[in-house]
Amino acid sequence: AQTVTQSQPEMSVQEAETVTLSCTYDTSENNYYLFWYKQPPSRQMILVIRQEAYKQQNATENRFSVNFQKAAKSFSLKISDSQLGDTAMYFCAFMKMVNSGYALNFGKGTSLLVTP
Amino acid sequence: GAGVSQSPSNKVTEKGKDVELRCDPISGHTALYWYRQSLGQGLEFLIYFQGNSAPDKSGLPSDRFSAERTGGSVSTLTIQRTQQEDSAVYLCASSLRRHDEQFFGPGTRLTVL
Repeated sequence: AQTVTQSQPEMSVQEAETVTLSCTYDTSENNYYLFWYKQPPSRQMILVIRQEAYKQQNATENRFSVNFQKAAKSFSLKISDSQLGDTAMYFCAFMKMVNSGYALNFGKGTSLLVTP
Repeated sequence: GAGVSQSPSNKVTEKGKDVELRCDPISGHTALYWYRQSLGQGLEFLIYFQGNSAPDKSGLPSDRFSAERTGGSVSTLTIQRTQQEDSAVYLCASSLRRHDEQFFGPGTRLTVL
């Protein structure tokens, strides 16, 4: 079974600073997908970034980037130039096979607070 | 275009009552997923639909839970004889194909008194 571990329940960062959220996972598969989702107080889950395991290049989306270390099974999220609107729960997720489809296996989440 | 919608937004029910939660996926999305988010268990996968069929029901926590999808579109999650431990936010997601990005709805917060 795949497990996803987020070791930081809560983090805080000042506006305009950089913060890194950690995530490790356990799997025996070679090809898979990893995601970071953001959940603000509105409850809406929003995809932040996606990484395919077969790609060596780290994914980047504007201020968001990942450090994907396949051998170490590590998938951290870096948020640059943090903004107040980045305040949210952040979930790391592994896409696992379920019978003939795929489902997301989530970590417990990291609550990020961006302060002025 | 419209995103995933869920109704109701909030539902309060008494223990022992049945509830139905509805999900409208993004038009054209063939895959639909139900997840449950609770304080104790975090985010859990419940069930997956490809078209109208559910090849994997292993995530449903008990036989009081059932789900269906009709016309390859709307899905309903039904919880019979609700218990207090069923209180949670129920999230629905859809994706164009099985391995594509999943788009989430705003969720239904269920409170069982």
